[in-house]
Amino acid sequence: KAGVTQTPRYLIKTRGQQVTLSCSPISGHRSVSWYQQTPGQGLQFLFEYFSETQRNKGNFPGRFSGRQFSNSRSEMNVSTLELGDSALYLCASSPPTAGADTQYFGPGTRLTVL
Amino acid sequence: AQSVTQPDIHITVSEGASLELRCNYSYGATPYLFWYVQSPGQGLQLLLKYFSGDTLVQGIKGFEAEFKRSQSSFNLRKPSVHWSDAAEYFCAVGTNTNAGKSTFGDGTTLTVKP
Repeated sequence: KAGVTQTPRYLIKTRGQQVTLSCSPISGHRSVSWYQQTPGQGLQFLFEYFSETQRNKGNFPGRFSGRQFSNSRSEMNVSTLELGDSALYLCASSPPTAGADTQYFGPGTRLTVL
Repeated sequence: AQSVTQPDIHITVSEGASLELRCNYSYGATPYLFWYVQSPGQGLQLLLKYFSGDTLVQGIKGFEAEFKRSQSSFNLRKPSVHWSDAAEYFCAVGTNTNAGKSTFGDGTTLTVKP
C-alpha cells in the first residue's frame, strides 16, 4: 500500500498570502489529522477529519482551516500568513475504527513564510 | 485533557550501549500510548503502540516499551543502540474519546557516539 502523501513538500510564501496544503491518506483510511511542528512549540494538533466532517479541533486561530473530500483526501488552508506560521505541517491518516488508533504520518510540507 | 512529558531533551549513548527514553503521561482513563521516531526533515514513523493487554510491547527496529500504570510511564528501551538510531523520539498519548487526536511530548533527541 502506498503511504500518506503530502504535496507540496516545500513551500515559500510571504506574509499576508494564503496557502493550501494537500494530503492523500493511505487507501481505505477515512481519518485524516493535521499537525504543526515547530522548534519552539513542538507538535501541535490542528484538526482531524473523518468522513468529510471535522471531528476534532486544536487551539489554532480561524486562519487555519481544513476540509476533507469524499475520497478522504484532505486539504488545509492558512490565510493571511504570519511569520510564525513557518513550520513543518504533518498529515496523518488512521484506519476506519471508532476509537483512537494508529496514525500513519506523511513526510510533511515545509512552509517558510518570509 | 491528556498530557505527555519527556524529561530528557537530549541523550547521548555509545554505539552498542543500552538505551532508555522516558515518557510520563497524564490521563484519567486508560490511555493509548505510542512511540514515534523522526529523522531530520522527515515525517514520524511509528515504533510501537500500547492499547491494552501485555504491558511489555515489542516494536520495530528492536525497540520495546513497558507500560506502568502505577507510575504513569511508558518508557522506550533498546538493548543495543546502532548509529542509525540517532534521531528524535516522540512519545504520544491518544484517547478513545478523541479519536484521531494525539498529544505529543516535546521529544528526545538521541545522539549515538561511535
